[in-house]
Order: sequence, then C-alpha cells, then structure tokens
Amino acid sequence: KAGVTQTPRYLIKTRGQQVTLSCSPISGHRSVSWYQQTPGQGLQFLFEYFSETQRNKGNFPGRFSGRQFSNSRSEMNVSTLELGDSALYLCASSRGDRSSYNEQFFGPGTRLTVL
Amino acid sequence: AQSVTQLDSHVSVSEGTPVLLRCNYSSSYSPSLFWYVQHPNKGLQLLLKYTSAATLVKGINGFEAEFKKSETSFHLTKPSAHMSDAAEYFCVVRGLNYGGSQGNLIFGKGTKLSVKP
Repeated sequence: KAGVTQTPRYLIKTRGQQVTLSCSPISGHRSVSWYQQTPGQGLQFLFEYFSETQRNKGNFPGRFSGRQFSNSRSEMNVSTLELGDSALYLCASSRGDRSSYNEQFFGPGTRLTVL
Repeated sequence: AQSVTQLDSHVSVSEGTPVLLRCNYSSSYSPSLFWYVQHPNKGLQLLLKYTSAATLVKGINGFEAEFKKSETSFHLTKPSAHMSDAAEYFCVVRGLNYGGSQGNLIFGKGTKLSVKP
C-alpha cells in the first residue's frame, strides 16, 4: 500500500506570494490533517478535512486555507506569504472514524522557504 | 484542555545502554496517547499508542511505554539503544473538541535522542 505523498518536497517563494501544497492520502483514508513544523513553535495543527469538509481547525490566520477533493486528496494554500511561514508542512491521513486510537500516517513533508 | 510536556529537550546515551524519554500529560478525560519518531528529513512514524487495554504498551523497534495515571506520565523506554535510534521523539495526546468528540493531535516539543558509539 502506498504511503502518504506530498508535493512538492521543496519550495522557495518570496514574501507576498502565495503557495499551494498537495497531499495524497493512503488509499481508503478519508481524513487528511495538516501540520506546520518550525524550530520555534514545534508541530502545530492547521486543519483537518474529512469527506471534503473541514472538521477541525487550528489557531492560524485566514491566510492559511485548505480543501479536500472527492478522491480525498487535499491541498493547502497560503496567501500573502510572510517570512515566518517558512516551515516544514506535514500532511497526515487516517481512516477518519472517531476512534480514539485512529492512527495518523504522515507524509515526508513539504519544506517551504520564504525569502 | 489536553497537553503534553516532554521533560527533556535532548537526551544522550551510549549505544547498548537504556533509553528513557519522559512525557507528562494533562487531560481531564481518559487520554489517547502516542509516541512518534522523526528521523532527519523524514516524516513522522508512529512508535506506539495507548489504547487503555494495557498500561504497558509495546511498540516497534523494541520501544515501550507505560501509562501511569497516578503520575500522569507516559514515558518511553528501550532496554538497549542502537545507533539507528538517533532521532527526535514526540509525545502526543489527542485533543477533544467541544462536545467531547475526538480532535486533532497535540504534540510535545520533542526530545532529540543522540546515541554515542
């Protein structure tokens, strides 16, 4: 079974630009979550999508948005990039049921650098 | 609100010696707890998860963790460290949404494990 894939793996943008990151979950998984990882703040939850609907949302500004398609693939978009948006963005997929032990499988991440 | 605190930002051990990575949690409900590992430039991999079926949880690569409710701890251990264990380890609790439904994962700050030859 193929794992979670994220594209692109590396990205360099300049301040003010926008960026779109893509995540393909494991086949059969209906939930996709996004996390931001930085040296200062660690791993922080951005949002979760399940069946094309945002189910949970973290404490990030509206410049961060996402969506999920009918095939469960997900994209996240960051508009008006700031230097502080430089981070590793991780996507995780899971079956999506409400089990407490619903394991999330992580992709390798997209390394975004904002200059 | 749920939270986790990893008590050490960096742990260094010699190969073949035991590993102890400490984690305390805060939760008003029976928590869902996990340990993840991240090798350099890699994604996160689940080591083990607490399912409430047993307080001693065995994971991959010889790691295990013991859930101690009285101490609100979920420390990760391994009897004998290997060079390939050098990585960053995250203690994780699953949050709860308003109304009590399962929420997102809440990560500790991480512990970097170094293994000396």
